[in-house]
Amino acid sequence: QKEVEQNSGPLSVPEGAIASLNCTYSDRGSQSFFWYRQYSGKSPELIMSIYSNGDKEDGRFTAQLNKASQYVSLLIRDSQPSDSATYLCAVATNFGNEKLTFGTGTRLTIIP
Amino acid sequence: DAGVIQSPRHEVTEMGQEVTLRCKPISGHNSLFWYRQTMMRGLELLIYFNNNVPIDDSGMPEDRFSAKMPNASFSTLKIQPSEPRDSAVYFCASSLTSLYNEQFFGPGTRLTVL
Repeated sequence: QKEVEQNSGPLSVPEGAIASLNCTYSDRGSQSFFWYRQYSGKSPELIMSIYSNGDKEDGRFTAQLNKASQYVSLLIRDSQPSDSATYLCAVATNFGNEKLTFGTGTRLTIIP
Repeated sequence: DAGVIQSPRHEVTEMGQEVTLRCKPISGHNSLFWYRQTMMRGLELLIYFNNNVPIDDSGMPEDRFSAKMPNASFSTLKIQPSEPRDSAVYFCASSLTSLYNEQFFGPGTRLTVL
């Protein structure tokens, strides 16, 4: 089992709809969770970080964390063509050794 | 702020040659990370420094890879000897205190080993 798993996609969503991206992780000691966006040929940039169970909203983006079920999700409301990118889930753990693991990413395409 | 600076942006070399990648983190950031990204394996953390000290190098693929951080404003990743399978985009990132904070990525170095 991979430590951080994401559906590779591609995920196609009509413009204006809600895009839902999911990520599961295997280490119950994980403490910090991040969503990065990466445009083709560019470097990753942070979209959201979440550290406790529940929802965290920032503009059109909402991160949801459920530690009991070991998943974290990212919702993008009112999807725009500029949201088309690969979204990387990252999980940080401090259980013995500090460790940060990225998922392989989900490619999202917003259809105008 | 100029952000994280990496050089060179592109490197083409022949198998067996030594390759040195350079990184200047954001001023005031105490943590620095080296990543490798390929289509097959995604984004992999190679090594993580905190206050210039290597904290976790478990991601370094083998002895051909080495990384140094002689001071707070400079780090190098060296591959010697290079092999075609080392071809990838190498990113450097920095964060304010640790891997639990937001990381700011540099533009990356695209390495091609022929």
